[in-house]
Amino acid sequence: EPEVTQTPSHQVTQMGQEVILRCVPISNHLYFYWYRQILGQKVEFLVSFYNNEISEKSEIFDDQFSVERPDGSNFTLKIRSTKLEDSAMYFCASTERHKNIQYFGAGTRLSVL
Amino acid sequence: TQLLEQSPQFLSIQEGENLTVYCNSSSVFSSLQWYRQEPGEGPVLLVTVVTGGEVKKLKRLTFQFGDARKDSSLHITAAQPGDTGLYLCAVAWAGNMLTFGGGTRLMVKP
Repeated sequence: EPEVTQTPSHQVTQMGQEVILRCVPISNHLYFYWYRQILGQKVEFLVSFYNNEISEKSEIFDDQFSVERPDGSNFTLKIRSTKLEDSAMYFCASTERHKNIQYFGAGTRLSVL
Repeated sequence: TQLLEQSPQFLSIQEGENLTVYCNSSSVFSSLQWYRQEPGEGPVLLVTVVTGGEVKKLKRLTFQFGDARKDSSLHITAAQPGDTGLYLCAVAWAGNMLTFGGGTRLMVKP
């Protein structure tokens, strides 16, 4: 069964460093999303992406965050200068069409020290 | 205030017991989704409820959408250890961004 894959599974970084979290959505999917889940808190929407541009973003998704689809398969989330409070699980999701079921990856655990 | 309030936050029961978890809001939704998340995994969609009063069954899981489409419940019959996990309700806004409740963490002990 097709699945969304995320790498790495765990990323440890120093505060102030840039990180790139990678996602390979399901191959025929057109809509892509990033969510985060701080330990013990709820899953929060960050950004949605369609047709090579951001379609929606939340207040969390500030200038420190960016997304990119550098090629036909990868979808990345970059955090420019990480802060301690960026430590969380980051989930990528994709859908085939607008308002279809979102399929989530297993997540990347980001630990900012 | 939270858009979606889930209760209880934690539930620990013995195998074979029945349980119900709730997802409540003061807002009206066109649809509501239930997800299950296991440790180290992302949320997995269980069901979408659309019509007020709708009841959907998935094996031992029964989902109900309130008549006013403001709340929903998930009932599990004869819970098994494999049901252990985090149960999340969510609604989709605008472009399809999901807003999740805080979840109910269920542990079923053998």
